[in-house]
Amino acid sequence: DGGITQSPKYLFRKEGQNVTLSCEQNLNHDAMYWYRQDPGQGLRLIYYSQIVNDFQKGDIAEGYSVSREKKESFPLTVTSAQKNPTAFYLCASRSGMNTEAFFGQGTRLTVV
Amino acid sequence: GQNIDQPTEMTATEGAIVQINCTYQTSGFNGLFWYQQHAGEAPTFLSYNVLDGLEEKGRFSSFLSRSKGYSYLLLKELQMKDSASYLCAPYTTGRRALTFGSGTRLQVQP
Repeated sequence: DGGITQSPKYLFRKEGQNVTLSCEQNLNHDAMYWYRQDPGQGLRLIYYSQIVNDFQKGDIAEGYSVSREKKESFPLTVTSAQKNPTAFYLCASRSGMNTEAFFGQGTRLTVV
Repeated sequence: GQNIDQPTEMTATEGAIVQINCTYQTSGFNGLFWYQQHAGEAPTFLSYNVLDGLEEKGRFSSFLSRSKGYSYLLLKELQMKDSASYLCAPYTTGRRALTFGSGTRLQVQP
């Protein structure tokens, strides 16, 4: 089955540690996105990539980093510079301009 | 930048009709997406409007007016399972990414 997979579903980290969230898709989509969602809020764009080896900052990129070495994979690293990292992180992919984005099931990160 | 406005919360009765509005101000507008998100879950696609007018898809319809920067999602014959957040997301050619509004939490009551 084609889809987009995020792992793990729940992640706990100590303050000051970097953590990498995985996002893999087998839909052959060119574009991939990372969003952050806080309780009762909408989705805010962190980073996005239209093609392998290229990515752009979204609205809240500070304290995050990404890579796009393969078409299928777009991992997000939450660094210790991110002041308030506890949130629900959603990865999405889409194939073209007028197509919908498909979302992974999300990773709920808790930093203690 | 983009400015997207939706009501924060709405309440409706099972079997009724509800309209969720979205206004936006953005440059390079190409189209507008609507997504549904149940609590703790990923958003799922509902509709995409590029042209002005109403698009109907079963119990759900979506309307767009490009000149007014306005869209709405119409839900008919409401069911309890429709209790969720509804997110509007304009898509722009410049950024080539969906930017989401804060979402409207819909509570369907018996």
